[in-house]
Amino acid sequence: AQSVTQPDIHITVSEGASLELRCNYSYGATPYLFWYVQSPGQGLQLLLKYFSGDTLVQGIKGFEAEFKRSQSSFNLRKPSVHWSDAAEYFCAENNAGGTSYGKLTFGQGTILTVHP
Amino acid sequence: GAGVSQSPRYKVAKRGQDVALRCDPISGHVSLFWYQQALGQGPEFLTYFQNEAQLDKSGLPSDRFFAERPEGSVSTLKIQRTQQEDSAVYLCASSLVGRQGRGYGYTFGSGTRLTVV
Repeated sequence: AQSVTQPDIHITVSEGASLELRCNYSYGATPYLFWYVQSPGQGLQLLLKYFSGDTLVQGIKGFEAEFKRSQSSFNLRKPSVHWSDAAEYFCAENNAGGTSYGKLTFGQGTILTVHP
Repeated sequence: GAGVSQSPRYKVAKRGQDVALRCDPISGHVSLFWYQQALGQGPEFLTYFQNEAQLDKSGLPSDRFFAERPEGSVSTLKIQRTQQEDSAVYLCASSLVGRQGRGYGYTFGSGTRLTVV
């Protein structure tokens, strides 16, 4: 079965430090990959997505992610974290056994804490 | 409206009570999804509508869960005889594209937090 793994449940960084959140997907064919952010009590906001082409994808709020097929990874990065980035981050894959409507499979999420 | 609206934001139900959760998608959006997010977990797919047609309900955990979208816009997720394990945040998402929209992200609502006591 299709799965998305986020190995880090909780990450703490200092404001201004760099950030990398890990994500591994299981589906072997061309995956459609997403990163979402969820602030407390809020819905999910799309940060960026990868379909094909350039493996380095730029998103909103200064985030980027790199697709590495050889490692089945789609890690999220930010060079300098701001206190407002504290939230929970979800990696998701859209494939669902070939259905074309786009059912998402989510990882368990990584909680980001930012220290001043 | 400008976004996906869900109501109520919070619902407390006594075990055995029936509940109805409402989702107002973005006007004109063809696709509508329901997801369930248990505490500390990522969202899990429940069901999918393309306009008024429910094309996938494989994620509904039991026959106590029922969803409808009769006019292809507003959707309601109904849970009958609620159980404690139904406690979760229920998220609705919509997308402009239909069946060909495999590669697109969606707009999520803020969710309804259901607590069954």
